[in-house]
Amino acid sequence: GENVEQHPSTLSVQEGDSAVIKCTYSDSASNYFPWYKQELGKRPQLIIDIRSNVGEKKDQRIAVTLNKTAKHFSLHITETQPEDSAVYFCAANDNAGNMLTFGGGTRLMVKP
Amino acid sequence: KAGVTQTPRYLIKTRGQQVTLSCSPISGHRSVSWYQQTPGQGLQFLFEYFSETQRNKGNFPGRFSGRQFSNSRSEMNVSTLELGDSALYLCASSLEGPGAGEQYFGPGTRLTVT
Repeated sequence: GENVEQHPSTLSVQEGDSAVIKCTYSDSASNYFPWYKQELGKRPQLIIDIRSNVGEKKDQRIAVTLNKTAKHFSLHITETQPEDSAVYFCAANDNAGNMLTFGGGTRLMVKP
Repeated sequence: KAGVTQTPRYLIKTRGQQVTLSCSPISGHRSVSWYQQTPGQGLQFLFEYFSETQRNKGNFPGRFSGRQFSNSRSEMNVSTLELGDSALYLCASSLEGPGAGEQYFGPGTRLTVT
């Protein structure tokens, strides 16, 4: 089955700096890669996703890049703000699209 | 549009008991997935139901089971509870499946086994 590894497990940055979280996946048939943000005590929420026919996608301060050959994808957050502090999960689907395998999560702390 | 709801929100059970958790998806969503979230293991996929059929199951023992009703509401059951089953159980709904597009999570049921 799919295996998703996520690094780093914790990341501390100064407000205004950029943050990068990286994930690798094992199943070359995966074609959908979402990122979820989970604030403390709240439910995970989708912040951005990318499909395998696209190499990069941006949404304001957030961007995701995908390298299908190397089977890795990354989340980039620019101009970080304290409200970006949360746990971020990457995920990859199976080839049928019926399940997601999540990475272990990255706790991002943005220091004011 | 109402979001995903889960009941109960908190539950305390004793080892050996069984428990049933309920999830009501967003109206029109036919796919419901269940996840176990623990501090050490992150988000672990339990199973996914679509139009009352289980399409996929994660690597959990047979004590974990589920079902989906014709109105897309779903339940999961855990029998013979163990201490290690203490976790936050999240369900999520989507139109076509978790790997096909955005899924929306419920608030979760926090299960404590003593």
